[in-house]
Amino acid sequence: GAGVSQSPSNKVTEKGKDVELRCDPISGHTALYWYRQSLGQGLEFLIYFQGNSAPDKSGLPSDRFSAERTGGSVSTLTIQRTQQEDSAVYLCASSSGQGLAVIGEQFFGPGTRLTVL
Amino acid sequence: GENVEQHPSTLSVQEGDSAVIKCTYSDSASNYFPWYKQELGKRPQLIIDIRSNVGEKKDQRIAVTLNKTAKHFSLHITETQPEDSAVYFCAANSGGSNYKLTFGKGTLLTVNP
Repeated sequence: GAGVSQSPSNKVTEKGKDVELRCDPISGHTALYWYRQSLGQGLEFLIYFQGNSAPDKSGLPSDRFSAERTGGSVSTLTIQRTQQEDSAVYLCASSSGQGLAVIGEQFFGPGTRLTVL
Repeated sequence: GENVEQHPSTLSVQEGDSAVIKCTYSDSASNYFPWYKQELGKRPQLIIDIRSNVGEKKDQRIAVTLNKTAKHFSLHITETQPEDSAVYFCAANSGGSNYKLTFGKGTLLTVNP
C-alpha cells in the first residue's frame, strides 16, 4: 500500500518568505509527527498530532513555526519569515496509534529538503 | 528532558566483520528503544526495537541489547554486508511517553567490500 508522502521534495526560498510543507500519512494512521533533520544531526521532534486531541507543539523552535492537521489526515507545516538556519530536511512520520498506551513503529515520509537563501 | 548520546559517529568495517553501535539515555522512565536505518537519500526505517521488559532481542543478523541499570543499549550487526552501509539512529521514548522519541545524532556505517 501507499506509504507516507510529502511535498514538495525540494523547496528553495528566499530569506523572509513563508513556506508550506505538506504531509499525507498512511491511511488510517491516527498519529502524525513532524521532525527536522539538519546535516550531521539526529531527528529533532517538532510536533505531534493524535486523532482529535490537542497537538504536542513542544518541539517547535519558534513562533514562526506552526502546523495543522485537517480532518485527521493531511498535515501542513508552515514556516513564516524563513531564516537561513531553517534550512534542513523536514520529515513527516505516521503511526497507527493502535495502542495509545504503547508506543510503536513510526513510518517516515521521504522528506522535504528546504533551502533558505 | 531525555538526552540520547550515540557513539561512534562514524564506523568503517570490512565486509563480514561485526559492527557495534552504542547509545546511552538519561531518563530512567524510558521503556522503548528503537533503531532506525537511513540509507543515503532515503527515509529512515525501523530495523529493530526493544522494550524494557527484555534484555536482548535478535532478528537474523541484527541484535539489540539493553542494560537498564546502566541506561545504555547497543545495536549489533554480524556478518556485515555492503548493503548495511547507512546511517543508524537510536532513540528512546521520553519519560516513558507513548509517542515522543528522542533520537541520537546517528552513526554512519560504511561496510567495505
